[in-house]
Amino acid sequence: QQPVQSPQAVILREGEDAVINCSSSKALYSVHWYRQKHGEAPVFLMILLKGGEQKGHEKISASFNEKKQQSSLYLTASQLSYSGTYFCGTGNSGGYQKVTFGIGTKLQVIP
Amino acid sequence: GAVVSQHPSRVICKSGTSVKIECRSLDFQATTMFWYRQFPKQSLMLMATSNEGSKATYEQGVEKDKFLINHASLTLSTLTVTSAHPEDSSFYICSAQPQGEEAFFGQGTRLTVV
Repeated sequence: QQPVQSPQAVILREGEDAVINCSSSKALYSVHWYRQKHGEAPVFLMILLKGGEQKGHEKISASFNEKKQQSSLYLTASQLSYSGTYFCGTGNSGGYQKVTFGIGTKLQVIP
Repeated sequence: GAVVSQHPSRVICKSGTSVKIECRSLDFQATTMFWYRQFPKQSLMLMATSNEGSKATYEQGVEKDKFLINHASLTLSTLTVTSAHPEDSSFYICSAQPQGEEAFFGQGTRLTVV
């Protein structure tokens, strides 16, 4: 079942912050975040495993609330290069992660 | 990070013909690979799980006779779109995952059926 992402689209000015949410109706084993630029393949940002953790990657971090079956991606002091579509994916509990992606959040950072 | 190479990046074919797309893991062995399809402005939808040395596992609604998957070696999976039609035009992406690491995606193949 596809995770639900919100918002569907957001426009930021450089330097502003944004939060993208991802929720699932099923118990989560893992949450994967990817960014995709137009016409390109998705690029991995981070993976969070169940246990309720937070991870950081430069100015992009994420949290995973296993109980609420939610994850949030935090973009701070956004840069123009952050523009793209952000997908969250939920993974199964097997050794190889079959990832089911949400519909995506289109983020546009403007000068 | 690990490298997954997909070929071709773009292909245009005539309606009724077949097209083969290759997905290679260049620096690791992948017993499992995944094939996704993405229509414009939509999400990546998992089509099938490709298993080395055995039959692929298809997601509900995906025609296995139309989308033939062969995973003959630990570094290569192929997706053949048979008797392609314009509605098959899409962005096809594969992914593979080294043991214990995250999934890596190929560059994608833009298929246009005319």
